[in-house]
Amino acid sequence: RKEVEQDPGPFNVPEGATVAFNCTYSNSASQSFFWYRQDCRKEPKLLMSVYSSGNEDGRFTAQLNRASQYISLLIRDSKLSDSATYLCVVPTGTASKLTFGTGTRLQVTL
Amino acid sequence: DTEVTQTPKHLVMGMTNKKSLKCEQHMGHRAMYWYKQKAKKPPELMFVYSYEKLSINESVPSRFSPECPNSSLLNLHLHALQPEDSALYLCASSRAGDEDTQYFGPGTRLTVL
Repeated sequence: RKEVEQDPGPFNVPEGATVAFNCTYSNSASQSFFWYRQDCRKEPKLLMSVYSSGNEDGRFTAQLNRASQYISLLIRDSKLSDSATYLCVVPTGTASKLTFGTGTRLQVTL
Repeated sequence: DTEVTQTPKHLVMGMTNKKSLKCEQHMGHRAMYWYKQKAKKPPELMFVYSYEKLSINESVPSRFSPECPNSSLLNLHLHALQPEDSALYLCASSRAGDEDTQYFGPGTRLTVL
């Protein structure tokens, strides 16, 4: 299994739809997890941190399943502005080193 | 202020040039990072500075030379680069004790001719 693996995408969804991305990780000792969003030709921006079973922030919900070693990101009521690449990030266990997934591209359409 | 700034935004250089990328943060973060990102790929870690000392060098070629003059500034000196070094160079920083939560600057888009 790759260290961090994400749904390949792209996901094309209409505005208002609910969409979910999954991310699996190989290091069972990982304690924290992150979702970043990255717009085209821009920097990654931290979207959510997940330390326990999950986290919710408005339309965004991140769930952690430690037994199956996956994290999911659910976006409700998708907006055009949600179109971006979503990166799943897992610390390696070595201080300061993060492992990035390859990203899932989301395109929200009218 | 939750911002990491980087200059320049864009840089075009020849293979014989010497240039520097600059990164600055005023959040009191004590760890700073350089990443390289190629198109459609995730960021790749290059260097980590912790308390102004180089703590991680991910086997980066010596044509890239990092420098941390103080706790707010991070430079990346470039010399004799190759066209394949063209990429987005991202700086990030994190708080002491929470190194896993990293905040990225806008990046410098580098083109080597």
